Amino acid sequence: LAKTTQPISMDSYEGQEVNITCSHNNIATNDYITWYQQFPSQGPRFIIQGYKTKVTNEVASLFIPADRKSSTLSLPRVSLSDTAVYYCLVGSTGTASKLTFGTGTRLQVTL
Amino acid sequence: DTGVSQDPRHKITKRGQNVTFRCDPISEHNRLYWYRQTLGQGPEFLTYFQNEAQLEKSRLLSDRFSAERPKGSFSTLEIQRTEQGDSAMYLCASSPQGLTEAFFGQGTRLTVV
Repeated sequence: LAKTTQPISMDSYEGQEVNITCSHNNIATNDYITWYQQFPSQGPRFIIQGYKTKVTNEVASLFIPADRKSSTLSLPRVSLSDTAVYYCLVGSTGTASKLTFGTGTRLQVTL
Repeated sequence: DTGVSQDPRHKITKRGQNVTFRCDPISEHNRLYWYRQTLGQGPEFLTYFQNEAQLEKSRLLSDRFSAERPKGSFSTLEIQRTEQGDSAMYLCASSPQGLTEAFFGQGTRLTVV
């Protein structure tokens, strides 16, 4: 299983763009990169998934360089409600059981 | 509400007692997962079902833990002879086959006293 490394915590002011980078040096050819968000006392929530280049949805963007050894989750204009833990996961499609969560990045957004 | 439902939300039990949690997945999802999460840590995989078949179990799932998914619908997770170290949030998730996007429930918080 590809191991991921991400910052333990980040701080941001409301209205700023936040970029959280995840390192996954031994990502396999058939692995996708998936990001989840988790609020206290709730289960994780899927944010975005990608394989290469750039993926964008209504919540975030995911940037993946050509070598796929890292990825960056970009949250535009964060608000206080974006304060949460963000997990970067790497795994192959077809088997979510292989999704291994690390300790995640704790994002704190303040005024 | 058509999301993943878990019951109970909170459970306090005395050490040595048995507890059972229930998970109702999203109805069209044939995959169901159980995770455990302790404070400050990410969720740890426990076990996984495809329909009624339990396909994978983590080494974390000791002999005191058992999970079932009769008829491929809801699932139960039972912990026998609970220990204080079992105190955690137990999360259930489901997904359609072929996708890695898992939908999580709000979890059952277990406190063993």
